[in-house]
Amino acid sequence: DAGVTQSPTHLIKTRGQHVTLRCSPISGHKSVSWYQQVLGQGPQFIFQYYEKEERGRGNFPDRFSARQFPNYSSELNVNALLLGDSALYLCASSLLAGGNSPLHFGNGTRLTVT
Amino acid sequence: AQKVTQAQTEISVVEKEDVTLDCVYETRDTTYYLFWYKQPPSGELVFLIRRNSFDEQNEISGRYSWNFQKSTSSFNFTITASQVVDSAVYFCALSEPDRGSTLGRLYFGRGTQLTVWP
Repeated sequence: DAGVTQSPTHLIKTRGQHVTLRCSPISGHKSVSWYQQVLGQGPQFIFQYYEKEERGRGNFPDRFSARQFPNYSSELNVNALLLGDSALYLCASSLLAGGNSPLHFGNGTRLTVT
Repeated sequence: AQKVTQAQTEISVVEKEDVTLDCVYETRDTTYYLFWYKQPPSGELVFLIRRNSFDEQNEISGRYSWNFQKSTSSFNFTITASQVVDSAVYFCALSEPDRGSTLGRLYFGRGTQLTVWP
């Protein structure tokens, strides 16, 4: 079975622009989470979706939004990009939404904002 | 507050040496879950182990072993007879029981960069 797939792998944007990142979960997984990993740091939680509903939101501004589609794939949108948004964005899927359900991560999208 | 501390930023060893990666956590809950993930240069976080707070039995999987000590809030990871392929960043993470907006959220430490030299 394919793992979590993310697209694109790399992206360069200019300050003020908008970006959409995409994620396809492992087949059968209904929960998708998004994490931001700044260089040299551990991943920080952005969102979790389960059965197409937002189930958790981290401490990120409203410029960050996401959604989950009927096929359980997900998009992360970031508006009005700032230089500080440059990071590796990781998508993870899990079978369930609970805290003991291991997350399986994709390779990430590396976003550079200039 | 929930917090995971990995005090070792970087560790370098020579192949075949044993190495232990430290992880200390803070939580107010009595039920929680601990994880270790490996991040090779490709960027993908690879799940290694999950441990719940009620199971303090140590675990061994091949060259990997984990020592969970609730009394000291530590969940340390040991690689025996390290290999070059073990070179990666290793993250310890904490998840709490399902509760409101923190459902399924992982709190990660800052990671330990392990370099194994041939």
